[in-house]
Amino acid sequence: GENVEQHPSTLSVQEGDSAVIKCTYSDSASNYFPWYKQELGKGPQLIIDIRSNVGEKKDQRIAVTLNKTAKHFSLHITETQPEDSAVYFCAASMGNQFYFGTGTSLTVIP
Amino acid sequence: DTAVSQTPKYLVTQMGNDKSIKCEQNLGHDTMYWYKQDSKKFLKIMFSYNNKELIINETVPNRFSPKSPDKAHLNLHINSLELGDSAVYFCASSQGLAINEQYFGPGTRLTVT
Repeated sequence: GENVEQHPSTLSVQEGDSAVIKCTYSDSASNYFPWYKQELGKGPQLIIDIRSNVGEKKDQRIAVTLNKTAKHFSLHITETQPEDSAVYFCAASMGNQFYFGTGTSLTVIP
Repeated sequence: DTAVSQTPKYLVTQMGNDKSIKCEQNLGHDTMYWYKQDSKKFLKIMFSYNNKELIINETVPNRFSPKSPDKAHLNLHINSLELGDSAVYFCASSQGLAINEQYFGPGTRLTVT
């Protein structure tokens, strides 16, 4: 099956700085890569996703890049704000299987 | 307005008891999931139903039994609860299997004493 590794497990940044979270996957058949944000006491919520036929996608301060050759994808958050503080999960999907990374706890320091 | 709802939000029970968690989605999706999130925040899929049919059944003790009476509902029954079952359980739904955004419910925090 697929194995998704996510780094770092915790990340602290100053408000206004950028944050980068990286994930690697093992199965080249994976073709859908979403990122979820989980705030305290809530369920995960999709913030951005990318499919295997695209190398990069951007939505305001959030961007995701995908390197299919190296089997890794990254989440980039620019101009971080305190409300960005949360746990972020990457995931990789192939067929009917969905595999989550281990999560990154992001803290934005005002 | 709630897209994916779960009841109850909190569940405290003793070892050996049987309990159920209910999930409903009003998004018209054809696929529903149950996830378990442990104390380290690891999210692990337990079951997936597509059009009321079981598609994914990960390595989960057979004390856990999902039931889907229709496409909008997926309930989770747990028999003979154990301490290790304590976790947050999330229901989710999507259109299609693992190829589109999953919408998660607010979670049910289960504590077994």
